Amino acid sequence: DIQMTQSPSTLSASVGDRVTITCRASQSISNWLDWYQQKPGKAPKLLIYKASSLESGVPSRFSGSGSGTEFTLTISSLQPDDFATYYCQHFNSYPWTFGQGTKVEVK
Amino acid sequence: QVQLQESGPELVKPSETLSLICTVSASSISSAYYWGWIRQAPGKGLEWIGNIYHSGSTYYNPSLKSRVTISIDTSKNQFSLRLSSVTAADTAVYYCARFGVLTVTGFDSWGQGTLVTLSS
Repeated sequence: DIQMTQSPSTLSASVGDRVTITCRASQSISNWLDWYQQKPGKAPKLLIYKASSLESGVPSRFSGSGSGTEFTLTISSLQPDDFATYYCQHFNSYPWTFGQGTKVEVK
Repeated sequence: QVQLQESGPELVKPSETLSLICTVSASSISSAYYWGWIRQAPGKGLEWIGNIYHSGSTYYNPSLKSRVTISIDTSKNQFSLRLSSVTAADTAVYYCARFGVLTVTGFDSWGQGTLVTLSS
C-alpha cells in the first residue's frame, strides 16, 4: 500500500498568512493526488484534483503543486472560512489512501 | 446538481452486519463514475472503503476486504455497502461519494454522511 504522510499535523496561522501543507507519498504516484477540505460535522470538499487542477467554484487562493512523491497545498492569503482540516488522497493504485490530515487553526 | 444521500440503521449490534444505501439524484449511476464509500471514526481521519463501477466491478480496501461488499442497483440509482462482523472499531461516519473516471476529478460530490454506532 502507498502511505501518504502530511506535515504538519497542526498549523497555527492568522488571517492573511500564506499557508503551505505538504503531502509525501511512500512511492511515486505521478500526479494522481487530490486535496480536500473538511469542516467539523461536514463532508469533505474537493479543492484540488490531479495535484494542481482547481475544482470549479474553489477560490483561486488555493493552489496545488507537485508530482511523484512530494506535493503541496498552498493558501495564498488565509481567510476566516479556511480554518479547517485538509487531507490529501492518492488514487495511483488500489488501495486509495488519505493522509492523516492537517488542521489549520487560529494562531 | 448531483446529490448523494446515505440511509440505513444508525445502531448496529456487534458481530452483526452494517448495511447502508446511497441514493443518487441528478446524476445517472450508469455514467462514467466510480461510486465510493469512505468512513471516518470519531476524531480520526478518512479511510477509503471501496468503489464500484456501474458494470459491477468493485475495488476494496484490503484491510476490510474480507468483510465488505459493495453492490449497485442501476434501476434505483442506488449503491450499497455491507460490512459484516462489525466491532466497536467500525463505529464511524460513513460517506458515499462520486469519483469521475474519465475526467479523474476526485471525489467531487459527497453525501452528508451517516453516523453508525456499535451498541449492544
